[in-house]
Amino acid sequence: DGGITQSPKYLFRKEGQNVTLSCEQNLNHDAMYWYRQDPGQGLRLIYYSQIVNDFQKGDIAEGYSVSREKKESFPLTVTSAQKNPTAFYLCASSLSGGARYEQYFGPGTRLTVT
Amino acid sequence: QKEVEQNSGPLSVPEGAIASLNCTYSDRVSQSFFWYRQYSGKSPELIMSIYSNGDKEDGRFTAQLNKASQYVSLLIRDSQPSDSATYLCAVNVRRRNNNDMRFGAGTRLTVKP
Repeated sequence: DGGITQSPKYLFRKEGQNVTLSCEQNLNHDAMYWYRQDPGQGLRLIYYSQIVNDFQKGDIAEGYSVSREKKESFPLTVTSAQKNPTAFYLCASSLSGGARYEQYFGPGTRLTVT
Repeated sequence: QKEVEQNSGPLSVPEGAIASLNCTYSDRVSQSFFWYRQYSGKSPELIMSIYSNGDKEDGRFTAQLNKASQYVSLLIRDSQPSDSATYLCAVNVRRRNNNDMRFGAGTRLTVKP
């Protein structure tokens, strides 16, 4: 059963703690993305990766870090430097990084930091 | 001006009616256009993609693109209560070697039985 999985579904952390969100896909997609969604706003791109061992910053990369050691996996770390980390985090993948390739989303992780 | 603009709604239509969702975008270089459906508390689900001017139909859904007017729309025929969701318009601009997907904030649709 092909798809994108994200874990955990809900995550609660105290301020000052780093937290890592998992994203795995078995679609054999080359490109993977991390977005953040806040109420009343469009999705905003945090980081993306078009191939293994390579990734680029999106519009709001400050306070986040990623790695792409395997094609299937693209974990996102929310560091203590991220000022407003509470949000819905969405991982997506596409066959390639080209403009015509559709992006498919995982189920998301809802992060609450208090 | 936002890069991708949608009327936030809520848009309310009776069951069986046609729902019309609109989206405008600012970048003329935009190449690919997508509609996603997002149920409350869930992640976006791709329902339509369109790349050239005109209409594209898929079941009850029709996407319409007018690049000259920088306008893309989604029509839902025979609307059902299960269509009640937020619909996100996404526009992809190819810049050099990277693509750049921009999302609107979404239009909330309610279909009343």
